[in-house]
Amino acid sequence: DQQVKQNSPSLSVQEGRISILNCDYTNSMFDYFLWYKKYPAEGPTFLISISSIKDKNEDGRFTVFLNKSAKHLSLHIVPSQPGDSAVYFCAARMSGNTPLVFGKGTRLSVIA
Amino acid sequence: KAGVTQTPRYLIKTRGQQVTLSCSPISGHRSVSWYQQTPGQGLQFLFEYFSETQRNKGNFPGRFSGRQFSNSRSEMNVSTLELGDSALYLCASSLWGTNTGELFFGEGSRLTVL
Repeated sequence: DQQVKQNSPSLSVQEGRISILNCDYTNSMFDYFLWYKKYPAEGPTFLISISSIKDKNEDGRFTVFLNKSAKHLSLHIVPSQPGDSAVYFCAARMSGNTPLVFGKGTRLSVIA
Repeated sequence: KAGVTQTPRYLIKTRGQQVTLSCSPISGHRSVSWYQQTPGQGLQFLFEYFSETQRNKGNFPGRFSGRQFSNSRSEMNVSTLELGDSALYLCASSLWGTNTGELFFGEGSRLTVL
């Protein structure tokens, strides 16, 4: 039973355009949502997070949107840069020191 | 500040053997989590330790075990290796009890089982 789903295994975007990565979840008890980026041969690195009491969080070129009623969140990267090419993981957790649950990831390729 | 350190980075074992992986967390972090990453399966949670106690456990068979030492360093062990255990094993450390629970990952130990 996959609680966090990233239905697009891959995405290609032109440099300078917007990248939109999507994530759906099934557990309504999730309170916090995080995005991680992973380059080959490296561990995932934290990118941005959002609490369930918010619907948007912005950090530079990265914005995460949360739609609780649809159990859906998205990561927007604008403008996209070649260095953004990586695998992006969506993750979620409930409150109370529970483990992070990850999606399967979306491979983003930004084409120059 | 040094990051999460995992050793060894790469290793090859044969079926039936056992393996031990080590993880040193970021200084001051007392919580250590382990994840298995395989192609097409994303990151699957193995277990989490805090203050030398296992606090959370994922859905893996008993062949997968771990422990944490008083200096917060952690090890995980896989016994009676199977081909399907070939994966990248990621360790992550964090501050226990943070609101967002942000994890800081090491580079992983890539295990190949032949």
